[in-house]
Formats: sequence, structure tokens, C-alpha cells
Amino acid sequence: DAGVTQSPTHLIKTRGQQVTLRCSPKSGHDTVSWYQQALGQGPQFIFQYYEEEERQRGNFPDRFSGHQFPNYSSELNVNALLLGDSALYLCASSPPGQLNYGYTFGSGTRLTVV
Amino acid sequence: RKEVEQDPGPFNVPEGATVAFNCTYSNSASQSFFWYRQDCRKEPKLLMSVYSSGNEDGRFTAQLNRASQYISLLIRDSKLSDSATYLCVVNTNDYKLSFGAGTTVTVRA
Repeated sequence: DAGVTQSPTHLIKTRGQQVTLRCSPKSGHDTVSWYQQALGQGPQFIFQYYEEEERQRGNFPDRFSGHQFPNYSSELNVNALLLGDSALYLCASSPPGQLNYGYTFGSGTRLTVV
Repeated sequence: RKEVEQDPGPFNVPEGATVAFNCTYSNSASQSFFWYRQDCRKEPKLLMSVYSSGNEDGRFTAQLNRASQYISLLIRDSKLSDSATYLCVVNTNDYKLSFGAGTTVTVRA
């Protein structure tokens, strides 16, 4: 049983470009959350998707947007990249009704903006 | 003020030693508490949930003090494989997890 799958694993982009990161949740999970982890910091909540809608959003600018597809997979899009967007982007999925206990994280996408 | 604050360490301990560290959280309405473990450049993995009465999982003991809003983790008989960053995580009955910046533990032979 595959866990949470993220792609790509590494990415280098130039300032001002746009990037799309992808996440496939663990089988049986219907909720996907995205987190940003800068070096030396804990993960910061970006947003959560459920039933193809953004259910909650953290303190991130509108440059960060997302989408959830009918098969529960999700994308994170970042426009107009800044150097400060360089981080590990983590996707976490959770099963129905178990938000507090069922989070499984993917291995992340390491984004470097130059 | 940060939602979750942790002593960053590092805690450098010999094998077999006991190491303990805390975190504090700012929102008294917080409902769920966890310790996650994160190895270098890897994803966080749930170590254990933290319950009000305190709980153990093998060599790991977690305590919660709601009045003082702090959570602790104690590791007994440390192993080399316990070397990692330990993330204190709080959920305030909404949909996000709030992470501390992590406490680094290094166990030396």
C-alpha cells in the first residue's frame, strides 16, 4: 500500500517563475494538506483541501494556490516565485473523520529558487 | 508570539542516557497534542500522541500540562537511532497542525 506520494522530489526554479507540485494521498484518505518547511523551522500550514474545496488556509499570500481532483490527489501552485519560497514542501493526507490522528506525510518536494 | 515554542537544543547525550525536553503552546483552546520525529531531510513521522494523563510508548514518555500549557517528551535508555529532530505539534480543533521548530537530539556512542 503506497503512502503519500509527492512529485517531483527536487526542483530548481528562477525568481518570478511559476511552479506546480503534485501529491497523491494514501489509499483511503480523502483530505490533503500542504505545509512549507524552511530550513531550521517547523512545517507551516499552507492550506487543506477536502471535497475539491479549500477548507482552511494559513498565512500565505495568494501566490500560493491549490487544487484537489476527484481522485483526491492535489496540486500546489506558486506564482511569481521569490527566493524566500525556497523550502521543503510537504503534503499530508488523512482519512475521513480522523483529522487529529490520521496525518501521513509524503517525503516532500525540495524547491530551490535562484 | 509563536503558537508552539521549543528549545532547539541540540541535546547531545551518550547511549543509554535519559533525555527530556519540553515545548509550550500559546492557545489554551488547543485540543490535540503530538510528538513527531523528523530525520535529516526526511518527512515528519508521528512518534506518539500526548494524552492529558500522560502516556508511554516503550522508552518514550509524554506528559501534558494544560494549566501551564506545556508538553514534555522523555526518552529513556537512548539509542543511536533516536538521533533526530523532535517536533512538538498542536491542533486547536481546526484543520491545521501547528508545529514547533523542533528539538535536535544527538545520541553518541
